[in-house]
Amino acid sequence: AQKVTQAQTEISVVEKEDVTLDCVYETRDTTYYLFWYKQPPSGELVFLIRRNSFDEQNEISGRYSWNFQKSTSSFNFTITASQVVDSAVYFCALSDMNTGFQKLVFGTGTRLLVSP
Amino acid sequence: GAGVSQTPSNKVTEKGKYVELRCDPISGHTALYWYRQSLGQGPEFLIYFQGTGAADDSGLPNDRFFAVRPEGSVSTLKIQRTERGDSAVYLCASSLTRATEQYFGPGTRLTVT
Repeated sequence: AQKVTQAQTEISVVEKEDVTLDCVYETRDTTYYLFWYKQPPSGELVFLIRRNSFDEQNEISGRYSWNFQKSTSSFNFTITASQVVDSAVYFCALSDMNTGFQKLVFGTGTRLLVSP
Repeated sequence: GAGVSQTPSNKVTEKGKYVELRCDPISGHTALYWYRQSLGQGPEFLIYFQGTGAADDSGLPNDRFFAVRPEGSVSTLKIQRTERGDSAVYLCASSLTRATEQYFGPGTRLTVT
């Protein structure tokens, strides 16, 4: 069975601090995708990134960066120089490539609170 | 362009009643998904449509839940004999193909009293 664990329930930081959100996953599949979504107070899930299991290269997009390590089954997300607008719940998700579609399995989310 | 839209945004119903929740996917997206999100939890998969057919309904909790997508665009999630445990936010997502990333709507918050 697939499982995603986000052990950090809530993180509070002050603006301009860097923050890392942890994600650990479990799967028996050798081919899979990993995702991060942002859910602001408005409630709509916003797609941030998808990585496939073949590609362990880290990715950077502006202030966001992702560190994928198959050896530790982790896909961590770092926000550099956090801003108040980053306040949201962040979800990590997993899907395998064998079902023929992306059946997302989500973690329980990490609430990030960035104060001015 | 327009994103995924869902109506109503909020629905309050009494236990035992029937409800319908509607999802309008992004135009041209062939794949459509329904998820359910309980308070403090991540979304849980309910059903996936490819075109008009329900290709995977393994996440539907029981036979009170049913979903259709008759013309391969708009989808309706139907819940019969609602129970208080059905209270949650019901999220719809669509993707261009079954292999591409999913874009979510704002959800329908269902409250069963």
